[in-house]
Amino acid sequence: QSALTQPASVSGSPGQSITISCTGTSSDVGNYDYVSWYQQHPGKAPKLIIYEVNNRPSGVPDRFSGSKSGNTASLTISGLQAEDEADYYCSSYTNSSSLRFGGGTKLTVL
Amino acid sequence: EVQLLESGGGLVQPGGSLRLSCAASGFTCDTYAMSWVRQAPGKGLEWVSVISGTGDSTYYADSVKGRFTISRDNSKNMVFLQMNGLRAEDTAVYYCAKDLAGDAFDMWGQGTMVTVSS
Repeated sequence: QSALTQPASVSGSPGQSITISCTGTSSDVGNYDYVSWYQQHPGKAPKLIIYEVNNRPSGVPDRFSGSKSGNTASLTISGLQAEDEADYYCSSYTNSSSLRFGGGTKLTVL
Repeated sequence: EVQLLESGGGLVQPGGSLRLSCAASGFTCDTYAMSWVRQAPGKGLEWVSVISGTGDSTYYADSVKGRFTISRDNSKNMVFLQMNGLRAEDTAVYYCAKDLAGDAFDMWGQGTMVTVSS
């Protein structure tokens, strides 16, 4: 069960937008709309920011949005803020009734 | 306060066993599937196991299948992870997580550290 593919790092300046990709296969991302995204600050537990591809839990700013095309899901953060600097992980349900996470992307706000 | 609190982590020798516990408070966890997710030091997240709200269905990552067992006691609002045959590669922070929908985890505990070393 290898991890979904995410870029190791992305960066952007305050106010800009960034997009993080998450590539899987037809056995996971491409076959289910159960893609989630998590934000994790150092030493903290992950926080759910997107579920079911493009839904935001209550309290998550609308600067965070998700999408999917084929086997690739994406997280877009618009209007970058300093507090957005964190690690981001995607996850997807799979056809073996398991869950795969991405390898994680470190977001640096310049 | 709505929260999950893990316990039971520690240092164990290779081949040993540990039982992790997750206590839910502020909500009735029998309505929800619950999972364990781990994170090795400096590494990414790895899903370990999930149990349905009733406890009738369980699934495991290939890396722990046959060694780990997930269970729950809804009368006590608790979830457990019995870990046998521990290996060095099982060293990680283990998080308990509540399933919102479609294996999206909207609530996480603070994690409990498991170290497998001689």
